[in-house]
Parts: sequence; C-alpha cells; structure tokens
Amino acid sequence: GENVEQHPSTLSVQEGDSAVIKCTYSDSASNYFPWYKQELGKRPQLIIDIRSNVGEKKDQRIAVTLNKTAKHFSLHITETQPEDSAVYFCAASLNRDDKIIFGKGTRLHILP
Amino acid sequence: DVKVTQSSRYLVKRTGEKVFLECVQDMDHENMFWYRQDPGLGLRLIYFSYDVKMKEKGDIPEGYSVSREKKERFSLILESASTNQTSMYLCASSGGLRTTDTQYFGPGTRLTVL
Repeated sequence: GENVEQHPSTLSVQEGDSAVIKCTYSDSASNYFPWYKQELGKRPQLIIDIRSNVGEKKDQRIAVTLNKTAKHFSLHITETQPEDSAVYFCAASLNRDDKIIFGKGTRLHILP
Repeated sequence: DVKVTQSSRYLVKRTGEKVFLECVQDMDHENMFWYRQDPGLGLRLIYFSYDVKMKEKGDIPEGYSVSREKKERFSLILESASTNQTSMYLCASSGGLRTTDTQYFGPGTRLTVL
C-alpha cells in the first residue's frame, strides 16, 4: 500500500523567512496530494492540494510542487507569519479509492 | 460551509467498557472516515465508509468496529476499551461517489481509557 514520509518533524524559522516541508510517497499511481494545517487544539483543515497533472500550484504565500518522477512533493510558505505556526500534514491518495494516507506531520514554529 | 460534528470533545472511560463515538456531517457526503491521532504518528485510518451500511478496514482496525446506518452518521465502536486506545479520534467526510475529494474534519474526541 501507499506510504508517505514527511520531513522534518519539527521546523523553526524566523518570522519573514521561508519554510519548506518535504514529503515522499511510494505508490507511483497516487495522483492527489493535499496538505492540511492543524492549529493547536483545532481540527486539520485543507490549505492547498495538487493533482498529478500539474507540477506546481500557488495560493498567495503558499505553494506546492510535485515531482512525479522522484515521487516527492513539497510545501513552501514564504514571508512566514506567527499565524503560520501549526502542525502541517502532507497526504497522498490513489484514484481508485478515497483513502488518504497522511505523513506524520511537521510542527512549524515561527520565531519572533 | 461543511459541518462535521462529533458527539463529545472529551470522554473518560474505564477498561473493558463499550464506547461509542458518533460523527455527523450535514453535506450529504458519500464518504466518511475515522482516524486516530497520536503524537509522532500522525493521522492513522481506522475505518472508512463509501455508502450506507458499507464499511472498509483502514490501517489499524483491530479493536474497533463501525456502523453506518444513515448517510450522515458514522459511528466508531470500541467493543471493550483498553488503555492503548487512549487517543484523539477524528472523524472526516468527503463528497463525490468514489472520487478523491477534500476531507473535512470534525473537532475531534479526546478519549482517555483508565
């Protein structure tokens, strides 16, 4: 089955700097890659997703890139702000079912 | 706005008790999921359902069962709770018939088994 690895498990960046979180997946048939953000004490919420027919997607300060050949995808947050502090989960999904396999999460700390 | 609700935010039970966790969604979503979230382990899928009365095992189904009698409601059952089932339980739902789609999460139930 699909396996998703996520790195790093913890990341601290200065406010205003960029943050990058990387994930790899094992099943080349995966074609949907969502990213969820979970603030302390709250539910995970989708922040951006990408499908395998595109290589990059951007939404304001957040971007996701996908390299299908290497089977990895990354989340990029630019000009980080205090409210970006949270746990971020990457995930991968196959087209033939709705199971989403999550990475173990990255705890992002934005330092003042 | 999609709304996914869970019956309890916090629950304390004793070893051996039968525990019911309820999840309700109001968006007529076909698919519903139960996860448990533990530090360092991320979100692990317990069971999911594509339709009423239909269920499929996720990655860690042992010790759990589920029930989906109505489309909007998906219940997670711990037949005989054990201390290693102390965890945060998250329900999610998604729309579409067997198509990958955004999952919307409930607020979670923090279960403690003593």
